[in-house]
Amino acid sequence: GDSVTQMEGPVTLSEEAFLTINCTYTATGYPSLFWYVQYPGEGLQLLLKATKADDKGSNKGFEATYRKETTSFHLEKGSVQVSDSAVYFCALTSARGGSYIPTFGRGTSLIVHP
Amino acid sequence: EADIYQTPRYLVIGTGKKITLECSQTMGHDKMYWYQQDPGMELHLIHYSYGVNSTEKGDLSSESTVSRIRTEHFPLTLESARPSHTSQYLCASSEGKYGTSGTNEQFFGPGTRLTVL
Repeated sequence: GDSVTQMEGPVTLSEEAFLTINCTYTATGYPSLFWYVQYPGEGLQLLLKATKADDKGSNKGFEATYRKETTSFHLEKGSVQVSDSAVYFCALTSARGGSYIPTFGRGTSLIVHP
Repeated sequence: EADIYQTPRYLVIGTGKKITLECSQTMGHDKMYWYQQDPGMELHLIHYSYGVNSTEKGDLSSESTVSRIRTEHFPLTLESARPSHTSQYLCASSEGKYGTSGTNEQFFGPGTRLTVL
């Protein structure tokens, strides 16, 4: 079945450091890939997405590129801020018998210190 | 801006009580979902729906039940709450009917934090 594996946290960085959160997946066919962010006390919200191979999703300085050859969708940001502290989820949807029900990774907590 | 609402935001209740967690969305989405989020932040899909009168069980076995009588409303009910039900419950919705594109993102409500004593 489908699965998403992302690096365990917490990831602890100083402000202005470079961020990478690794995400790899297993899926049938050609999944769509997503990164969601969850701030404390809130639900998840979409950060960025990519729907086909070599697409790059970007938003708020975050980027991720759909790499079919390595089945990866790593999240990057060049300079993190304290306000980026949150939990980040990698997810995919694929045609599991036509259902397109999302599969989520386990989440990676990011803590950014001033 | 996403318009998906959950009530109550927080609920503390005694063992054996019947509770209903409410979820409503005003975006006209056909698909709706309920997730249980554990303290380690992992999400577990417990129920989903493709539209009115459609309900399916998710990957995580749950003693809860759901109904979908109206497109905008997807309540979750626990007939007899137990301490093991203590968790964060997240509702979500997305565009698209069964068998259609999986490129659409989910919109999440703010969650209900349930504590069963």
